[in-house]
Amino acid sequence: GAGVSQSPRYKVTKRGQDVALRCDPISGHVSLYWYRQALGQGPEFLTYFNYEAQQDKSGLPNDRFSAERPEGSISTLTIQRTEQRDSAMYRCASSLSMVEQFFGPGTRLTVL
Amino acid sequence: DQQVKQNSPSLSVQEGRISILNCDYTNSMFDYFLWYKKYPAEGPTFLISISSIKDKNEDGRFTVFLNKSAKHLSLHIVPSQPGDSAVYFCAASAPGNTPLVFGKGTRLSVIA
Repeated sequence: GAGVSQSPRYKVTKRGQDVALRCDPISGHVSLYWYRQALGQGPEFLTYFNYEAQQDKSGLPNDRFSAERPEGSISTLTIQRTEQRDSAMYRCASSLSMVEQFFGPGTRLTVL
Repeated sequence: DQQVKQNSPSLSVQEGRISILNCDYTNSMFDYFLWYKKYPAEGPTFLISISSIKDKNEDGRFTVFLNKSAKHLSLHIVPSQPGDSAVYFCAASAPGNTPLVFGKGTRLSVIA
């Protein structure tokens, strides 16, 4: 497809488990962003990449969260030792420029 | 501390009338503003944007107005259509590679 895709769409895990969320950006888009969105809130920035380089990770809440984009295309957001407070919608977006980002459908993470 | 504020969580408008969605910001460094529209179970989609060098940008039924002195922008939809019913997010960015900052969103319902 032509849009941003994310997998899985839904993930239910037990507290303490690690999860890996995948984002497949629009082909040719240089920049890739990860956001977290709680219910009733707007997307909250986590981190972003230009090509394979992580430019800003200031939004990652703690060191259990990490992201990579090793070949400048697909990205993985990993959450280690998940906690219930990590439950949220995780959204990925890509763009050719810093603005006008195109969002994927998101991965809804539920930590039991 | 919310840098981008959408103080109305919801708005209901009759079909054919004007919808006005408001957004306030506190960071005077913001110089680019965007509106995103989100349908249920989908990611936000880019709608319209405005640079701080302008005070108005129009695209079909959608117009965004920017009042820099008041740190306020608004999205006007006229005439409103039932298909416009969605959550609208205001977002802003500062110069350089800074991430988008989103408001909490306003749910617009257009009643036929």
